[in-house]
Amino acid sequence: GESVGLHLPTLSVQEGDNSIINCAYSNSASDYFIWYKQESGKGPQFIIDIRSNMDKRQGQRVTVLLNKTVKHLSLQIAATQPGDSAVYFCAERYSGNTPLVFGKGTRLSVIA
Amino acid sequence: GAVVSQHPSRVICKSGTSVKIECRSLDFQATTMFWYRQFPKQSLMLMATSNEGSKATYEQGVEKDKFLINHASLTLSTLTVTSAHPEDSSFYICSVRTPSTDTQYFGPGTRLTVL
Repeated sequence: GESVGLHLPTLSVQEGDNSIINCAYSNSASDYFIWYKQESGKGPQFIIDIRSNMDKRQGQRVTVLLNKTVKHLSLQIAATQPGDSAVYFCAERYSGNTPLVFGKGTRLSVIA
Repeated sequence: GAVVSQHPSRVICKSGTSVKIECRSLDFQATTMFWYRQFPKQSLMLMATSNEGSKATYEQGVEKDKFLINHASLTLSTLTVTSAHPEDSSFYICSVRTPSTDTQYFGPGTRLTVL
């Protein structure tokens, strides 16, 4: 769901199921996107990235999908594990050497 | 990925004092580093871009005289919160961008609490 005020949207999944985390990005001209995982009290950890000339990229247990038509990015996590519990952020780069701009974040809670 | 360190990891200070946070790029030379701030249950907000050997570029609404940034070498950037107040309490995170891949890697963050 959409975040309201200070509340992060939360996704709860059973251990072993697949997770899909969605992100709506803001700038149709953005050329580079990254998904980060942030555990409590730690800095964001790089998961996977994708450039705007691609629509899908796969990593180990993770897949990122990019739909430029509707400015939508998703992160799929296969066989979700308790260690995947964290807040996930998408980030976009507007162009060139500009710094990343972060989305609102989604909390993933894995139920053992 | 790139290894980024921050020091201190946690600091508590009295209102009115200044606090310096260090960010180091441990495995490559970074001409550009970024400073972000994160309030509880919120996303990361970019504060400024730190450029080695020149003045930092601040985002709109970020006071440059309050948040002093020094990027004196290719591996070290510092953020000094001057005359800190309780509303400055936050999680400060630095980031470096690898020159070959454009990917940004983040430090572990510094939790600042101003009493």
